Amino acid sequence: DAGVIQSPRHEVTEMGQEVTLRCKPISGHDYLFWYRQTMMRGLELLIYFNNNVPIDDSGMPEDRFSAKMPNASFSTLKIQPSEPRDSAVYFCASSYRASNGYTFGSGTRLTVV
Amino acid sequence: GENVEQHPSTLSVQEGDSAVIKCTYSDSASNYFPWYKQELGKRPQLIIDIRSNVGEKKDQRIAVTLNKTAKHFSLHITETQPEDSAVYFCAAIIQGAQKLVFGQGTRLTINP
Repeated sequence: DAGVIQSPRHEVTEMGQEVTLRCKPISGHDYLFWYRQTMMRGLELLIYFNNNVPIDDSGMPEDRFSAKMPNASFSTLKIQPSEPRDSAVYFCASSYRASNGYTFGSGTRLTVV
Repeated sequence: GENVEQHPSTLSVQEGDSAVIKCTYSDSASNYFPWYKQELGKRPQLIIDIRSNVGEKKDQRIAVTLNKTAKHFSLHITETQPEDSAVYFCAAIIQGAQKLVFGQGTRLTINP
């Protein structure tokens, strides 16, 4: 298995632009998580899905952030419009059942200038 | 809800010495406790985990211990090597819950 695949690896965009991050979870995993990591706030859970259904989006910072999971093999996290304070590393992770370890993707390093 | 506290936030040890990182959790119903290692610029990776029906688990130079009564668990790394330098995260999950709660991380530095 190729593991959790995220794209792009790096994204540099101008303030106000729309940004879309992509994630392909491990086949057979029924949970998918989006995290944001910064030096100041550490690992923050933004949203997670179970069987493609959003379960908890309480970590989404504001309405500029949205996430979808149209099928079991694909999820997106969208920021529109982007702001400099959104600069961070965004990780996607998946797991089989909740009470097992997560497998993280390589992350997307987002820089908003 | 669950709350996980991790200490210390930074730890520096001499190569060859042991390192211990401790975490406490708040909910006695928690039953799964994984540890992740994140090297600079890379993803967090699961290195060891323990379930509440086990008191200790070892994998070569790393071990995890769990004290359910005191609600704390620890990561032990023996014979530390430079490649052990990384940020380590503990986490906990409650049976029936659907997400891990992570500690704030410990930056471990191994001095040659």
